[in-house]
Amino acid sequence: GENVEQHPSTLSVQEGDSAVIKCTYSDSASNYFPWYKQELGKGPQLIIDIRSNVGEKKDQRIAVTLNKTAKHFSLHITETQPEDSAVYFCAASGNNDMRFGAGTRLTVKP
Amino acid sequence: DAGVIQSPRHEVTEMGQEVTLRCKPISGHDYLFWYRQTMMRGLELLIYFNNNVPIDDSGMPEDRFSAKMPNASFSTLKIQPSEPRDSAVYFCASSMGLGNTGELFFGEGSRLTVL
Repeated sequence: GENVEQHPSTLSVQEGDSAVIKCTYSDSASNYFPWYKQELGKGPQLIIDIRSNVGEKKDQRIAVTLNKTAKHFSLHITETQPEDSAVYFCAASGNNDMRFGAGTRLTVKP
Repeated sequence: DAGVIQSPRHEVTEMGQEVTLRCKPISGHDYLFWYRQTMMRGLELLIYFNNNVPIDDSGMPEDRFSAKMPNASFSTLKIQPSEPRDSAVYFCASSMGLGNTGELFFGEGSRLTVL
């Protein structure tokens, strides 16, 4: 089955800096890669996703890149703000179940 | 829609007691998922249903865990008897499709503490 690894487990940046979180996956059949943000005491919420026919996708300050050959994908947050502080999960999915990475705790210091 | 609704939000119980967690999915969503979140193991899929039918329960850790979906608007996850290692946050999620065909919407979770 699919195995998703996520790095780093914790990340601390200064407000205004960029943050990058990286994930690798093992199943070449995976074709859908969402990113979820989990705030304290809440459930994860989808913030952006990318499908395998696209190499990059951007939505305001967040962007995702996908390298299918290397089986890795990344989340980029620019101009970070304190409200970006949360735990971020990557996931990979084929036609069936979705596997999540272990999560990255991002702290944005004002 | 109010989103996925879970209850209780917090449950503290003693080892050996029965625990029942409840979930109301988003109306119109055909898929319902139960996840467990712990520091050690992250987010683990326990079981999922399609149109109220359990499809994959390979993630259910032991026979002490059971899940039901008697109708399209209600599901339960039961642990009997509970053990301290079951302490975790349990999330219910629903979607219109599976994998790349539907966004997962999560509830706010039920935090279970077994003493």
